[in-house]
Amino acid sequence: DGGITQSPKYLFRKEGQNVTLSCEQNLNHDAMYWYRQDPGQGLRLIYYSQIVNDFQKGDIAEGYSVSREKKESFPLTVTSAQKNPTAFYLCASSIGMGTPVSGNTIYFGEGSWLTVV
Amino acid sequence: AQKVTQAQTEISVVEKEDVTLDCVYETRDTTYYLFWYKQPPSGELVFLIRRNSFDEQNEISGRYSWNFQKSTSSFNFTITASQVVDSAVYFCALSEGDYGGSQGNLIFGKGTKLSVKP
Repeated sequence: DGGITQSPKYLFRKEGQNVTLSCEQNLNHDAMYWYRQDPGQGLRLIYYSQIVNDFQKGDIAEGYSVSREKKESFPLTVTSAQKNPTAFYLCASSIGMGTPVSGNTIYFGEGSWLTVV
Repeated sequence: AQKVTQAQTEISVVEKEDVTLDCVYETRDTTYYLFWYKQPPSGELVFLIRRNSFDEQNEISGRYSWNFQKSTSSFNFTITASQVVDSAVYFCALSEGDYGGSQGNLIFGKGTKLSVKP
């Protein structure tokens, strides 16, 4: 089945550690995104990528890093510089940014819960 | 600046009641897109609908309907004859730009938690 797969579903991190969240999509989408969701809040954009080997900072990029070496993969690393990393992280993708009206709905994965212990 | 407001934090209804979730948005763009997503307890955001700013026709899909009114900058969502499976957090979101969001950035409201009791 086509979709967006995030792993792990639950992750615990010790303070000072870096952790990487995986996101894979088989929808042949060009654009991919990472959002952060805090309890009772909407989603905020961390990073996005329009195409392989290119990515841009979103609204809350500090303390995070990403890579886009393959079209289907967009991993997110939560670094030790992120002061408050405990949150729900959602990966998403769309056909492409800057594409005509019909194609730019953003679809989401099932999310990953990150807790700092 | 763009902004999405969902004033209702939580709503509780009894099964078979109709319920309307409010969404008010702010944008300076003339071209923009509005979305509704459903987030069940599992966490995944499920896409429900996407509307562009030039199409104010109301839409109905089964028990779901949406009322888009540019005059009041609102994009409200109504569930008719609610069911327990409708229990979820519902997010309204805004994307600006000629191509559905030139940066792909969705501006989300804070969500409305809907509880439907049997």
